[in-house]
Amino acid sequence: QSALTQPASVSGSPGQSITISCTGTSSDVGAYNYVAWYQQHPGKAPKLMIFDVSNRPSGVSNRFSGSKSGNTASLTISGLQAEDEADYYCSSYTSSISYVFGTGTKVTVL
Amino acid sequence: QVQLVQSGAEVKKPGASVKVSCKASGYSFTGYYLFWVRQAPGQGLEWVGRINPSSGGTDFAQKFQGRVTMTRDTSISTAYMELSRLTSDDTAVYYCARTSGSWSSDYWGQGTLVTVSS
Repeated sequence: QSALTQPASVSGSPGQSITISCTGTSSDVGAYNYVAWYQQHPGKAPKLMIFDVSNRPSGVSNRFSGSKSGNTASLTISGLQAEDEADYYCSSYTSSISYVFGTGTKVTVL
Repeated sequence: QVQLVQSGAEVKKPGASVKVSCKASGYSFTGYYLFWVRQAPGQGLEWVGRINPSSGGTDFAQKFQGRVTMTRDTSISTAYMELSRLTSDDTAVYYCARTSGSWSSDYWGQGTLVTVSS
């Protein structure tokens, strides 16, 4: 199972919006609505930001939103803040009862 | 509050095995799957597999089939992941994570660094 494809880096200025893409196949992202997004700060465990494509867990800012079109999922961060600087990973259930993460995207706040 | 507390760092020689534990508290241990995820130094997240603490049933990523074992002890709310025939490529931080039916992990352990070195 190959990793989902994400851009290596995305940057934006405070207050701006950025979007991170996550491209899979018709066997994972395109087939199921079990796409999640995680934020990871250096040396820390990942934190769930989005589940089931577009749902936010309790306590996650509404500046984070998720969507999906075909084989590509997206995470949008609006009103970018310094604390959003981190690595972000998408993930998806795949056929054959398996699971795959994205390659990861480093978000830089300029 | 929900907590997952993992065992401490390990140093192993190539060819050896390692067993990492994950003790759950603050929720019904048998009510949620547990994922095991690893992260090599400077690299991304990689799914190792999952265990159903209620039944003991497991599913593994294909690359770990035959080399990984996941078990649990419901009496002490603890899950275990054992990886055998270690190589330097297995050097990573290993995480356990509570996972819902939507295959998303809302609580993670602190991670266990496993170093494989001769």
